[in-house]
Amino acid sequence: DIQMTQSPSSLSASVGDRVTITCRASPGITSSLAWYQQKPGKVPKLLIYAASTLQSGVPSRFSGSGSGTDFTLTISTLQPEDVATYYCQKYDSAPLAFGGGTKVEIK
Amino acid sequence: EVQLVESGGDLVQPGGSLRISCAASGFTFSRYAMSWVRQAPGKGLEWVSSILGSGGTTYYADSVKGQFTVSRDNSKNTLYLQMNNLRAEDTAVYYCAKRSRDSSGNWYLDYWGQGTLVTVSS
Repeated sequence: DIQMTQSPSSLSASVGDRVTITCRASPGITSSLAWYQQKPGKVPKLLIYAASTLQSGVPSRFSGSGSGTDFTLTISTLQPEDVATYYCQKYDSAPLAFGGGTKVEIK
Repeated sequence: EVQLVESGGDLVQPGGSLRISCAASGFTFSRYAMSWVRQAPGKGLEWVSSILGSGGTTYYADSVKGQFTVSRDNSKNTLYLQMNNLRAEDTAVYYCAKRSRDSSGNWYLDYWGQGTLVTVSS
């Protein structure tokens, strides 16, 4: 089965910082990769699908890139409301594996 | 507006069974694949099962294969997960999620329900 490995597992950054989260697929996958945001005590929310397509209503400071084995979620200017755990997921075929998550905190 | 409302979560003894449900509204239920995803307390997300719109094709994580059964009743706009021989490690919040197709024809999870808590303990 394909393994999805996220890094880092946690990070602390200042408001206004650029934040980058990486997701590595082993072996490689197509571009059928999604990113989800889960705020504390809340339901996961879709941010990006097809590696780089922003879901409707998601702020433009979020962006995704990558293909094959390496994918990236970028928050261009970190905001206080972005405190959450972020998950990548490959969805091209079963099993739909999630990464282990990256917890983002404000410094 | 898409709404997914899970129900049926409960405290169950090890070895017991439980069926949880997900009532869908706001979209043509039969046209969309659906999935179950679970999250153990303090842990990450784990995909459990998926079912295509017709109900004829199902998929399972290795961790639940032969133990869980996903089904749907398109006349009732409802998704089900029958869980048998439950173990402590099945304790989690179970989310149902609607899937939508991207331009490649693959199905991502676009809407999630609020979840229902299943606790397996004696």
